[in-house]
Amino acid sequence: SQQGEEDPQALSIQEGENATMNCSYKTSINNLQWYRQNSGRGLVHLILIRSNEREKHSGRLRVTLDTSKKSSSLLITASRAADTASYFCAKGIQGAQKLVFGQGTRLTINP
Amino acid sequence: GAGVSQSPSNKVTEKGKDVELRCDPISGHTALYWYRQSLGQGLEFLIYFQGNSAPDKSGLPSDRFSAERTGGSVSTLTIQRTQQEDSAVYLCASSLGGTGFYEQYFGPGTRLTVT
Repeated sequence: SQQGEEDPQALSIQEGENATMNCSYKTSINNLQWYRQNSGRGLVHLILIRSNEREKHSGRLRVTLDTSKKSSSLLITASRAADTASYFCAKGIQGAQKLVFGQGTRLTINP
Repeated sequence: GAGVSQSPSNKVTEKGKDVELRCDPISGHTALYWYRQSLGQGLEFLIYFQGNSAPDKSGLPSDRFSAERTGGSVSTLTIQRTQQEDSAVYLCASSLGGTGFYEQYFGPGTRLTVT
């Protein structure tokens, strides 16, 4: 499937620790967008990284992209209980306008 | 400014009835997308609008599903003769442009339950 994989499917860590989530894909992309979702409703946009970029930061978030390995990672530093959510990477496929989502990583931050 | 809004937030309907879901995109966003999220299928693309035209309808699961956009703004997704497998959260997103290089911002979704 062109969705690729996200791993881990679930991650549980202690507050204050760093969380790393990974995303792989199979087709060529224009960009890759990371989202957070609480309670199975709206998606909150976190970061967009373009195919010619290797790293982007936003606050405690760091996203990397390795197009040679067709993979991306999202790092959340100094995690907080409020970071508990599902995180999705969405691939902006070349030649198409849609985003293709992975199955997501369910992150739990334990106080 | 205001984000993407969707209505209703929840809809319960009987099998066989028609439903209409509404999306108000962010002002000035020319591209609009519909997705749906269900337990079995994850998040899947339905249709993309650029202005009032829909160059990509490839994700619509059957001819019971249709969508339109008027005035380059509001969009409605219509599901005719609803089936239980249509139960899902329907999400709308908008972006500044449709070249695949812009952030897509999502609304809160409409949870559709078909009984």
